[in-house]
Amino acid sequence: RKEVEQDPGPFNVPEGATVAFNCTYSNSASQSFFWYRQDCRKEPKLLMSVYSSGNEDGRFTAQLNRASQYISLLIRDSKLSDSATYLCVVKTGGYNKLIFGAGTRLAVHP
Amino acid sequence: DTGVSQDPRHKITKRGQNVTFRCDPISEHNRLYWYRQTLGQGPEFLTYFQNEAQLEKSRLLSDRFSAERPKGSFSTLEIQRTEQGDSAMYLCASSSITDRSYNEQFFGPGTRLTVL
Repeated sequence: RKEVEQDPGPFNVPEGATVAFNCTYSNSASQSFFWYRQDCRKEPKLLMSVYSSGNEDGRFTAQLNRASQYISLLIRDSKLSDSATYLCVVKTGGYNKLIFGAGTRLAVHP
Repeated sequence: DTGVSQDPRHKITKRGQNVTFRCDPISEHNRLYWYRQTLGQGPEFLTYFQNEAQLEKSRLLSDRFSAERPKGSFSTLEIQRTEQGDSAMYLCASSSITDRSYNEQFFGPGTRLTVL
């Protein structure tokens, strides 16, 4: 079983739609949680950290459920520019090593 | 541009050859990481340096792989006797231990390796 699992998609949605991505992780000792965004043939970039209380950044809302070892990302009012792969990421251990899911691909169409 | 840089951006080699990649982290970042990413997968951790010390290595890093960061600044990743399974994007990232926030890892553009 992979340490971080995501639905690979692709999610094809129209502009303005709300889309939700889910992710589960296997290591209960995981300490920190993130969503990274990766455009085609580009490097991953941090989208947002995920906190136990849930957090929001504009159109993006992230949630963490430690008991279920579940992370989510909600994107409201999708834009064409949101088309990318969204990587669920977990930090476990003391050296800041990141464990990535395989990513969920989002395609927003006009 | 003061981000993470990697060289070369692309490398095509024949099976059995040795290749070396270079990573220049963001200035004054003391943590440096190497990851490998294959098509359709997320990046996989390979190794981690704090300053010049290599503190963690993944099981993925076979004895054909070696990484160095001799002066605590740039790093090199060498693959000896390349195999077709080594074909991947090799990503370097750096972070600062002194950041108050989650010491975000900033990724370079990667070196895409193709082994023929």
